[in-house]
Amino acid sequence: AQSVTQLDSQVPVFEEAPVELRCNYSSSVSVYLFWYVQYPNQGLQLLLKYLSGSTLVKGINGFEAEFNKSQTSFHLRKPSVHISDTAEYFCAVSGRGQAGTALIFGKGTTLSVSS
Amino acid sequence: NAGVTQTPKFRILKIGQSMTLQCTQDMNHNYMYWYRQDPGMGLKLIYYSVGAGITDKGEVPNGYNVSRSTTEDFPLRLELAAPSQTSVYFCASSYSAGNGETQYFGPGTRLLVL
Repeated sequence: AQSVTQLDSQVPVFEEAPVELRCNYSSSVSVYLFWYVQYPNQGLQLLLKYLSGSTLVKGINGFEAEFNKSQTSFHLRKPSVHISDTAEYFCAVSGRGQAGTALIFGKGTTLSVSS
Repeated sequence: NAGVTQTPKFRILKIGQSMTLQCTQDMNHNYMYWYRQDPGMGLKLIYYSVGAGITDKGEVPNGYNVSRSTTEDFPLRLELAAPSQTSVYFCASSYSAGNGETQYFGPGTRLLVL
């Protein structure tokens, strides 16, 4: 079984500041890791995902995340945020080869960018 | 392509009423999922389907039923609505599962049970 912990429920930042949203996971098997973003009153869309290979993953809108197996973390970063990045961000995990388990989501982090 | 579409966008139900949340995808995906999202709780899987005629329970299936008669459609049925079912419901789909596939989400249905 897998679980995901998003360490911050809310992250307020000023525009053009860097941001890091933290995600730790727990699993007894190898996993795939995902970050999804949910803009207000919309569905979720994929920001980026880690499947294998390079531990630094680049996604859309200037976001990137680093997979750290020893620390079981997958933190999301952006060097300079915009007002339009205000949204809720979800970290998720799925087990490799486990077709029926779908995605296990964290509780979400609300990123609020102000000017 | 419309992707994943859901209807209705918003609904108010009285306790004990029933309703069906509709979900359709036009990407020829085999896998479809229903999640519910409660504030501060993330998304929880209700039911999923690996193809037409095949469905299985997720983490929180009680009070819900599903069917999958076609590849495109995956309706979610609430038989006796309860206040605990007040939530936002998301349908998602993917081509396959278990290999890191991206799930594509619909815009959601906001349900209020009074």
